[in-house]
Amino acid sequence: AQSVSQHNHHVILSEAASLELGCNYSYGGTVNLFWYVQYPGQHLQLLLKYFSGDPLVKGIKGFEAEFIKSKFSFNLRKPSVQWSDTAEYFCAVNLGGTSYGKLTFGQGTILTVHP
Amino acid sequence: DTGVSQNPRHKITKRGQNVTFRCDPISEHNRLYWYRQTLGQGPEFLTYFQNEAQLEKSRLLSDRFSAERPKGSFSTLEIQRTEQGDSAMYLCASSLVSGLAGGFRFEQYFGPGTRLTVT
Repeated sequence: AQSVSQHNHHVILSEAASLELGCNYSYGGTVNLFWYVQYPGQHLQLLLKYFSGDPLVKGIKGFEAEFIKSKFSFNLRKPSVQWSDTAEYFCAVNLGGTSYGKLTFGQGTILTVHP
Repeated sequence: DTGVSQNPRHKITKRGQNVTFRCDPISEHNRLYWYRQTLGQGPEFLTYFQNEAQLEKSRLLSDRFSAERPKGSFSTLEIQRTEQGDSAMYLCASSLVSGLAGGFRFEQYFGPGTRLTVT
């Protein structure tokens, strides 16, 4: 069975600091990878996605993620965070090349950005 | 608003009661998923529908849980004889799966969830 691991439960940064949130998955086959964000009081929103091709993907609000197949990782990065990035971030994976679609999520990382 | 909607947003019930939640997906979406999220955890898959057909149920979905999507549009999730362990956020998501030509590259759009508290 697939599993997703997010290394940090809670990350605290000051504005303008750089961000990297770790995500590792366990599955040997083709996968699709996603990062979702949940701002306080709001629903899950898609931040970025990877299906194939360039392993460096760019998402909304200046976020990017890099797929490293050999490390089974899909880490999320942002060069300079803002107070408005305070939210919970979830990494998710599903099987690639199929119509199955069921997502397996990590446990989430809470990001707190201090002004 | 053309996003996924869920009702009610909050439900408080007493142990042993039955509850039903509704999800309205994005109108043209043919795929609908239910997930459950407990505090400090990511969402966990419960079941999904392709149009009106329920194609998979997680082992998390005990026989007290039933889901329907009768006309391939909205879906309901019913929990019978609720238990305190059922307290969670129940999330619905939808997507448009357009077949091989789409390369099965689809994303899921989530609704706001229904927060269930069983007392």
